Amino acid sequence: GAVVSQHPSRVICKSGTSVKIECRSLDFQATTMFWYRQFPKKSLMLMATSNEGSKATYEQGVEKDKFLINHASLTLSTLTVTSAHPEDSSFYICSAPGGRGGLYTQYFGPGTRLTVL
Amino acid sequence: GENVEQHPSTLSVQEGDSAVIKCTYSDSASNYFPWYKQELGKRPQLIIDIRSNVGEKKDQRIAVTLNKTAKHFSLHITETQPEDSAVYFCAASLFYFGTGTSLTVIP
Repeated sequence: GAVVSQHPSRVICKSGTSVKIECRSLDFQATTMFWYRQFPKKSLMLMATSNEGSKATYEQGVEKDKFLINHASLTLSTLTVTSAHPEDSSFYICSAPGGRGGLYTQYFGPGTRLTVL
Repeated sequence: GENVEQHPSTLSVQEGDSAVIKCTYSDSASNYFPWYKQELGKRPQLIIDIRSNVGEKKDQRIAVTLNKTAKHFSLHITETQPEDSAVYFCAASLFYFGTGTSLTVIP
């Protein structure tokens, strides 16, 4: 199957700082990537759809100015959590559809555990 | 948007027994229904999927059924093994997930 990487895997930061998370499709091109947030023992909540070469599409209730998404190339999307606060602490996962499985197959990154002190 | 409900939230079965997880969805336009397995601290992994032109699909011990009229679909795992223990998520379309089912298979 296709591989999606995510970096960093774990980050601890102070309240008020910004954190950038990278999502890369390693062996296929992804014009679209998805960003999710997952709380402990909860489901994945779609935050936004990242589109290469255009603005991201945010889900209702997700602050676009707080969660900045940039899809700079066909293999890289970044999520920047700006002015992070403790309530932003969560598990963030990206995914990309495509690869050999076709557009209906979604490949997930390993996730980033963000802890804001 | 789509609303996906999943039941039960937790499920314990004896090794060798079957496990069934059910999901309902709200948007009749949804036509793709994947199931994911997520182990603790790891990424979700696709285990099986079904599209709306098919009523049932099977892959070894795993099967999924879909009732488009009633807007519900189910995951069936037969001959469960301890390594099947994980959280299972259904989804309608690519990115609307159910609330998850924590499956424990007791040896």
